[in-house]
Amino acid sequence: KNQVEQSPQSLIILEGKNCTLQCNYTVSPFSNLRWYKQDTGRGPVSLTIMTFSENTKSNGRYTATLDADTKQSSLHITASQLSDSASYICVVNDRGSTLGRLYFGRGTQLTVWP
Amino acid sequence: EADIYQTPRYLVIGTGKKITLECSQTMGHDKMYWYQQDPGMELHLIHYSYGVNSTEKGDLSSESTVSRIRTEHFPLTLESARPSHTSQYLCASSGTGPKSQRTQYFGPGTRLLVL
Repeated sequence: KNQVEQSPQSLIILEGKNCTLQCNYTVSPFSNLRWYKQDTGRGPVSLTIMTFSENTKSNGRYTATLDADTKQSSLHITASQLSDSASYICVVNDRGSTLGRLYFGRGTQLTVWP
Repeated sequence: EADIYQTPRYLVIGTGKKITLECSQTMGHDKMYWYQQDPGMELHLIHYSYGVNSTEKGDLSSESTVSRIRTEHFPLTLESARPSHTSQYLCASSGTGPKSQRTQYFGPGTRLLVL
């Protein structure tokens, strides 16, 4: 069973609008949570990383939140652009091993229309 | 921009052929990883390496093998390709420092199609 669940699976919005993507996880013990952006045919690129003590992290028009108590995270995209069309992947890192295993969500496929 | 490269980007090959997917990074990272990703699905770790001469199998069983003779190079080999190997293969690397900051940098991926 995947320990990282993302919603919605896909989302279509108009250019200039805002949107929020959700991530729920059951990974324990928790180390950090990352959001990646993956363009079609490309590798994922890191957007934000948050540890247990952080509840908000911004990167330009991207703002991630983390509630470690409820094990939920969100990624808010402001004033969307066509270039935001991509898959957004939530990744949770546990701290139970030297490697620090990563658990990947299946991603939310965002399409921004003009 | 991450300095991690994969070749080829696309590969179409017949069943039974031997193939090697190349991955190299110029960041001096000690840890390197191979992931397999099917469309719309999560990434699955198939191999990883802590450093030179260190290789380990990941969570997803794979018939591929890897080697780490040089820090910057982590090739993946399939001795006999099968249609079930059709997928996207992503290479990644990460450096040292606090575990919380060891971001994995991904290459562009190799899309493999086995006929």
